[in-house]
Amino acid sequence: GAGVSQSPRYKVAKRGQDVALRCDPISGHVSLFWYQQALGQGPEFLTYFQNEAQLDKSGLPSDRFFAERPEGSVSTLKIQRTQQEDSAVYLCASSPVQGRVNTEAFFGQGTRLTVV
Amino acid sequence: DAKTTQPNSMESNEEEPVHLPCNHSTISGTDYIHWYRQLPSQGPEYVIHGLTSNVNNRMASLAIAEDRKSSTLILHRATLRDAAVYYCIRSSTGNQFYFGTGTSLTVIP
Repeated sequence: GAGVSQSPRYKVAKRGQDVALRCDPISGHVSLFWYQQALGQGPEFLTYFQNEAQLDKSGLPSDRFFAERPEGSVSTLKIQRTQQEDSAVYLCASSPVQGRVNTEAFFGQGTRLTVV
Repeated sequence: DAKTTQPNSMESNEEEPVHLPCNHSTISGTDYIHWYRQLPSQGPEYVIHGLTSNVNNRMASLAIAEDRKSSTLILHRATLRDAAVYYCIRSSTGNQFYFGTGTSLTVIP
């Protein structure tokens, strides 16, 4: 595809359920980022991959959050034992080079997670 | 704090220029300034970025103050499709963007 693809677009989870959110970055993009966006707020950084290496996970809010990118392309964000405060839009972004100080990042449309 | 400061909301008449301000008083010499915008139910979309000098592209212009403590995004002729939340972001040697709450731009027909 031409852009960053995320699936599912919407997910409703019961509290305590595990969820997995998928991100397909633009082909060939080295860097991949996950962000969490609460209603009415700007996105908050979660984690960053360069190829398959997770170089920064300082934004993950708890050990219930786990991200992987085993082959350096598709990435999955997993949330275990979901809580209501996990309800948010989860955004994935990719960029063609390492780091992103002076490059354009391409965002997906996000996955809206609602925990009930 | 790595986040920037922007007005919560602004209005503009259609086909008039819009100047969106941003303060980043703690910026360091190697930090870039990025602007992204976000339409409802969409991911953020790149608008423009720069380091020291003013930048122009097909979407907008970016004017960076000489001391780099502030910048202004300029939309030369606002259209209804420009209605969005505009985020001014600084990026440093780290890899994350620090988004603030952004400026919600309303374009009045």
